Amino acid sequence: DIQMTQSPSSLSASVGDRVTITCRASQSISSYLNWYQQKPGKAPKLLIYAASSLQSGVPSRFSGSGSGTDFTLTISSLQPEDFATYSCQQSYSTPWTFGPGTNVEIK
Amino acid sequence: QVQLQQWGAGLLKPSETLSLTCAVYGGSFSGYYWSWIRQPPGRGLEWVGEINHSGSTNYNPSLKSRVTISVDTSKNQFSLKLSSVTAADTAVYYCAREERSGYYYNMDVWGQGTTVTVSS
Repeated sequence: DIQMTQSPSSLSASVGDRVTITCRASQSISSYLNWYQQKPGKAPKLLIYAASSLQSGVPSRFSGSGSGTDFTLTISSLQPEDFATYSCQQSYSTPWTFGPGTNVEIK
Repeated sequence: QVQLQQWGAGLLKPSETLSLTCAVYGGSFSGYYWSWIRQPPGRGLEWVGEINHSGSTNYNPSLKSRVTISVDTSKNQFSLKLSSVTAADTAVYYCAREERSGYYYNMDVWGQGTTVTVSS
């Protein structure tokens, strides 16, 4: 199985801050990497697919980059509705695996 | 606008079989893979397995011996059965649609989640 790790596990930030979350795969996965946002008690929501493609309806302040083993999710200007947990997921090979999540909290 | 609605028993005893169903409304059923994903309390997401409209399945090897995913195309539904459950199977279970664009796959539509608790 491909193992996914994320850093940091949690962070505190203020509205308007630029936030960057890192995801690392245990082997090269090319650009087969998705990002999800999850709020408490809710299902995950797809933000970014294929490492850098913005899902329809997702605000442009979200962006993704990277390939191979190292990926980043960036929120250019954090908004109140962005406080949530963010998880990466590889779609290179089954079993599909997710990172442990990064909790973005209000500072 | 496609929606997924899921249901099933929420409280099980050890050794029982978990059974969940997910119905697809407002969109195409064929042409997609359909997944089950679970999330233990306070932990990350774990992919359980997937099925397409033809009944072709892929399972997570860590659960393969206990998992069966089936499809009912006449009702646009797919189901999950997990046998011999233990407390370690306590989790929120989600169904999701897998969008496959070329070789790029992602889970773009999710059900509301079902909390399953295994306790004696």
